[in-house]
Formats: sequence, structure tokens, C-alpha cells
Amino acid sequence: EDQVTQSPEALRLQEGESSSLNCSYTVSGLRGLFWYRQDPGKGPEFLFTLYSAGEEKEKERLKATLTKKESFLHITAPKPEDSATYLCAVPSFGGYQKVTFGTGTKLQVIP
Amino acid sequence: KAGVTQTPRYLIKTRGQQVTLSCSPISGHRSVSWYQQTPGQGLQFLFEYFSETQRNKGNFPGRFSGRQFSNSRSEMNVSTLELGDSALYLCASSPRGSGSSYNEQFFGPGTRLTVL
Repeated sequence: EDQVTQSPEALRLQEGESSSLNCSYTVSGLRGLFWYRQDPGKGPEFLFTLYSAGEEKEKERLKATLTKKESFLHITAPKPEDSATYLCAVPSFGGYQKVTFGTGTKLQVIP
Repeated sequence: KAGVTQTPRYLIKTRGQQVTLSCSPISGHRSVSWYQQTPGQGLQFLFEYFSETQRNKGNFPGRFSGRQFSNSRSEMNVSTLELGDSALYLCASSPRGSGSSYNEQFFGPGTRLTVL
């Protein structure tokens, strides 16, 4: 069974203090990895899709990277508006849009 | 384009009742998925529909069911509600789906269901 584990569960950063979130996965053949951001009371918002080891994608202060066993979401010089829960997810084998989500990292950025 | 919409946003029911939740996907999206989100279990996949056909189903009891209409709008139904069904139910639509898997999903705001 596919498994996705995210760490840490929660992270508190000072504004401007860069850090990384981790997503490790066990799947029977990686077919992509998704990162989402979720604000309280809202549905997840799509950030990135990564398809192969070595791939990187950037958006503003966020950069996602992928290896054969894990993905990192690097946050450079975060701002308070980056506070949210960050979720990663992997598609299940043969499963069209069936994806397995991690439980997320709750990020709080303090001004 | 308008985003994914879900109705109602909040719902309070009692044990044993049934409930129907509605989802309207982004225009042109034919794949609609449903998820249950709880603090303890996180986001769990319920089922996915494409062109009115259920293509995938998660590990939930038969009390959870769904359907999709010809205009891609979808409904999910939960019968004989239990306290443990209290959760945020999220609907997500995807831009492609026929022969092309694993696309990004666009989520609605969710329906918060409370079972008393």
C-alpha cells in the first residue's frame, strides 16, 4: 500500500528564516508527486507537480525538489502569509486521480 | 473561470440520518474526486468519477456513495450517519482524465459535516 509521510508535523519560523519540509513516500512506481497548500477553512490549493528524480520547480519563495525516495519543499525567507498547512500527495498505481495524501506540515511564520 | 463550488458549506445532522452533498467542478473538467478530511486521518480518498462513471473507490463502507451527472456535477451521499462521519468533505476536479492520469486537482472549499 502506498504511504506518504511528512515531517515535521509542525514548524514555527521567524519571518525571513529559511527552512525545508520533507515528504517521504513508498509507492509501487512513482508517477508524480504533488504539493498543495491548505489554509484554515479552505480546500487545498495546488502548488507543484514533480515527475522524476532530480526535477525542481519554483514559485515565489517556494522550491520543490524530488529524489527517488523523498521530496523537499524549501521555503526561502518566508513571510507571515506563507503560514499554512503544506500537503504532499502521490498517485496510486493504476489509480487515475486516486491519490494518497500525507498528513501535512503546519507552518507558522512569526513576524 | 469560476472555481469548484460545493454546497452546502455547513451541515448538522443526527446519527442515523442521511445526507447529500453537491459539487460543481470547474467548467470543462470531467474528473471529480471526493475526499474526507479529519484531524486524525488527514485527507482520505473516497471515490472518483469521470464521464458519469466511478473509476476509483477508496476504503470506505458502502454507506458512502456518489454519482456524476452529464454536466460533470457530482453528488455524494452518506446514509445512516455515524458520529465518526463528522469531517470536512472536499470535492476536487481535474482538467483531464481520459487516458491521462495523475493530473493536478483543484479543490472546492469543502462541506463541514457535523453529526450529533
